[in-house]
Amino acid sequence: QQQVKQSPQSLIVQKGGISIINCAYENTAFDYFPWYQQFPGKGPALLIAIRPDVSEKKEGRFTISFNKSAKQFSLHIMDSQPGDSATYFCAARYQGGKLIFGQGTELSVKP
Amino acid sequence: KAGVTQTPRYLIKTRGQQVTLSCSPISGHRSVSWYQQTPGQGLQFLFEYFSETQRNKGNFPGRFSGRQFSNSRSEMNVSTLELGDSALYLCASSSSGGQGLDTQYFGPGTRLTVL
Repeated sequence: QQQVKQSPQSLIVQKGGISIINCAYENTAFDYFPWYQQFPGKGPALLIAIRPDVSEKKEGRFTISFNKSAKQFSLHIMDSQPGDSATYFCAARYQGGKLIFGQGTELSVKP
Repeated sequence: KAGVTQTPRYLIKTRGQQVTLSCSPISGHRSVSWYQQTPGQGLQFLFEYFSETQRNKGNFPGRFSGRQFSNSRSEMNVSTLELGDSALYLCASSSSGGQGLDTQYFGPGTRLTVL
């Protein structure tokens, strides 16, 4: 019930294309949904986040779409660049300071 | 503002030893959470401290413990190390510990290798 399921596990996109990563959850007590980007040897860095009462949030090339009734949310990266190649994690916040993470998506953007 | 800092960055220990990891949160942040990251299990929540009190705990054995000081700095201790404890240990801080749009910011992690 506290799981967050993320797909795909890996993704290859051409430069300029759209990268889409999906996440699903079951626990309706989650109250905040951040996405993190992680490069090898680094800690996760916050990309963008959304609350469940908002259906979409856009920041630059990154957009979160949130479907509360379906308990699904997704990250869209527009105009993907080789510098976007990293591992992406969706997460859901539970009971204050506890984040439940998806398994991660390894994104590779080919030039 | 300086980010979350963690020390040491790398650590090699042998089975049965104990280890203490340190985390300094972003100035003004009162909540510190710890996570374990491994290739097999991904990112898993260990525990959260807020104003020197443990507020949340994940599903880890009692060998994993932590504490928070009055300046919000936090330490994590693992006793009787096992090979499976080899992981990247991440610390994250937030200002209010999960209210509204309050967000967790991660440090670079401590890479622990148990031989």
